[in-house]
Amino acid sequence: DIQMTQSPSTLSASVGDRVTITCRASQSISSWLAWYQQKAGKAPKLLIYRASSLQSGVPSRFSGSESGTEFTLTISSLQPDDFATYYCQQYSDYSHSFGQGTKLEL
Amino acid sequence: QLQLQESGPGLVKPSETLSLTCTVSGGSIDSSSYYLVWIRQPPGKGLEWIGIIYYSGNTYYNPSLKSRVTISADTSKTQFSLKLSSVTAADTAVYHCARHTYGEGYHYWGQGTLVTVSS
Repeated sequence: DIQMTQSPSTLSASVGDRVTITCRASQSISSWLAWYQQKAGKAPKLLIYRASSLQSGVPSRFSGSESGTEFTLTISSLQPDDFATYYCQQYSDYSHSFGQGTKLEL
Repeated sequence: QLQLQESGPGLVKPSETLSLTCTVSGGSIDSSSYYLVWIRQPPGKGLEWIGIIYYSGNTYYNPSLKSRVTISADTSKTQFSLKLSSVTAADTAVYHCARHTYGEGYHYWGQGTLVTVSS
């Protein structure tokens, strides 16, 4: 099964900052990677799919990129609503898996 | 607008079987492009993928849970079942169902239901 290693586990930042979260797959997953945002007590929300495709309705300050088995979520200018936990997820093979999560805190 | 709703007992005794239902409304999973997945999240922890059922009825499970998990669907593809046997306290979690669109991840999620394993 494919392991997803996400870093950092916690990220402290301020409004207006540019932040980057990284996820590394244990083997090739092509571009079959999604990013989710989760707020306390809520279901995760899809932000990015296929590594770099922005889900409809998601602000353009969110972007995704890939380089081999390393994937990156970038928030270009943090807004107050962005402080949440972020997860990467691979759906390359029959058994999907999530990264450990990154808590973005003020 | 597609909606998913999890339902089932909020309390299960150790060694028993956890049984949940995901009811889909306002749309369908009756297509070769849509699949139903189950995910769980222990309190204060990250997301854990449980398994998936495809349009064909084929299922795939997290290897760490495979021996205890069964996912099934009714013939109308509007109700999906999750069964997890021989539960322990480690299975206490919020359980979510979600719709996976081929190539695009999980667009739609249920709100989740908390299941506590305790005697």
